[in-house]
Amino acid sequence: KAGVTQTPRYLIKTRGQQVTLSCSPISGHRSVSWYQQTPGQGLQFLFEYFSETQRNKGNFPGRFSGRQFSNSRSEMNVSTLELGDSALYLCASSNLADTQYFGPGTRLTVL
Amino acid sequence: QKEVEQNSGPLSVPEGAIASLNCTYSDRGSQSFFWYRQYSGKSPELIMSIYSNGDKEDGRFTAQLNKASQYVSLLIRDSQPSDSATYLCAVVAGGTSYGKLTFGQGTILTVHP
Repeated sequence: KAGVTQTPRYLIKTRGQQVTLSCSPISGHRSVSWYQQTPGQGLQFLFEYFSETQRNKGNFPGRFSGRQFSNSRSEMNVSTLELGDSALYLCASSNLADTQYFGPGTRLTVL
Repeated sequence: QKEVEQNSGPLSVPEGAIASLNCTYSDRGSQSFFWYRQYSGKSPELIMSIYSNGDKEDGRFTAQLNKASQYVSLLIRDSQPSDSATYLCAVVAGGTSYGKLTFGQGTILTVHP
C-alpha cells in the first residue's frame, strides 16, 4: 500500500498570506489528523477529521482550519500567516481504532 | 505539569548497549501508548504500540507499561548507530479518539561506535 502523501513538501510564504496544505491518507484509512512540529513546542495536535467531520480540535487559533473530502483526502488552511507559523506540518492517517501513520510533512517557512 | 513527559536527554550509549527511554503521563484514563522514532529531517515512524500493563517485545525493542504508575518505557537492546534518532512517546488520552495523540517532547538518542 502507498503511504500517506503530503503536498507540497516545501513552502515559503510571507506574513499575512494564507496557505493550503494537502494530505492523501493510506488507502482505506478514514481518519486524518494534522500536527504542527516546531523546535520549541514539539509535536502538537491541530485537528482530526473522520468521515468529513471534525472529530477533535487542538488548542490553536481560528486561523487554522481544515476539511476532509468524501475520498478521505484532507486539506488544512492557515490564514493571515505569522512568523511563528513556520513549522513542519504533519498529516497522519489511521483506520478507526488503530495506530496513526505519518506522511513526510510539509515544511512551511514564513518570512 | 505537562501531559506527557519524557526523560531529559540527550542520551548517549555505546554500540551494543541497552538504551532505556522513559515516559510518564498525567491522564490516568489514558488508554493507548505509542513509541515513534524520528530521524532528523524525517517524519515520525511507529516502533511500538502497547495497550495493556506489562511488557511487549518486538525484535530488539521492548515496551513496558505500568498504568498504576502512569509510566511507559522503551528498551532498545544491542543498540546500533542506526538507532540514533529522536524517540517520541505518544498517548491517547481517556475519552479521546485514536486520532488525537499527545506527544512528549522527545528524547534524542545517540549510539556511538
